[in-house]
Amino acid sequence: QKEVEQNSGPLSVPEGAIASLNCTYSDRGSQSFFWYRQYSGKSPELIMFIYSNGDKEDGRFTAQLNKASQYVSLLIRDSQPSDSATYLCAVNKVISNFGNEKLTFGTGTRLTIIP
Amino acid sequence: EAGVTQSPTHLIKTRGQQATLRCSPISGHTSVYWYQQALGLGLQFLLWYDEGEERNRGNFPPRFSGRQFPNYSSELNVNALELEDSALYLCASSSGVGGPGGYEQYFGPGTRLTVT
Repeated sequence: QKEVEQNSGPLSVPEGAIASLNCTYSDRGSQSFFWYRQYSGKSPELIMFIYSNGDKEDGRFTAQLNKASQYVSLLIRDSQPSDSATYLCAVNKVISNFGNEKLTFGTGTRLTIIP
Repeated sequence: EAGVTQSPTHLIKTRGQQATLRCSPISGHTSVYWYQQALGLGLQFLLWYDEGEERNRGNFPPRFSGRQFPNYSSELNVNALELEDSALYLCASSSGVGGPGGYEQYFGPGTRLTVT
């Protein structure tokens, strides 16, 4: 079982609709969850992070975390063509004393917004 | 505020040579992370440096090494290059001060290493 799993896509969504991206993780000790957006040929850009169960909203983006189900998702409302990219889910487990250990990434979901 | 910077942008080496990649973190960040992103593969964690010390290492052979300088910038060295080392090498930094669960990492633009 992969540590972080994402549907590779491609996921096609009409412009203006809601895009829903999902991610599951295997380590119950994971504490921090991140969504990165990566355009082709570019480096990942952090768009959301979430630590607590529930929803976290930032503009058109909403991250949802369910630790009991080991599931994290990203919703993009009013999708725009500029949202077309690969979305990477990353999970972190903190080591005491040293804090951040490493981020384990999923392989990403390719999202295409259709005008 | 300046982001994470990396140099060079592109690097072409032949098999068996050594490559040196450099990274400067965001001002105030003390942790630097190195990742490899090979074509068609996900991001693979290489190394983590904090306060000049190597804190963690991914599943890579010892010919991948690095260091962190007193100004928190970092260098990744890859010795005895192999064709499969061709990839985008990404550096990220974090402040070590974050929410209750962790520390957000911000990526630089990357160095594209090509081994021929």
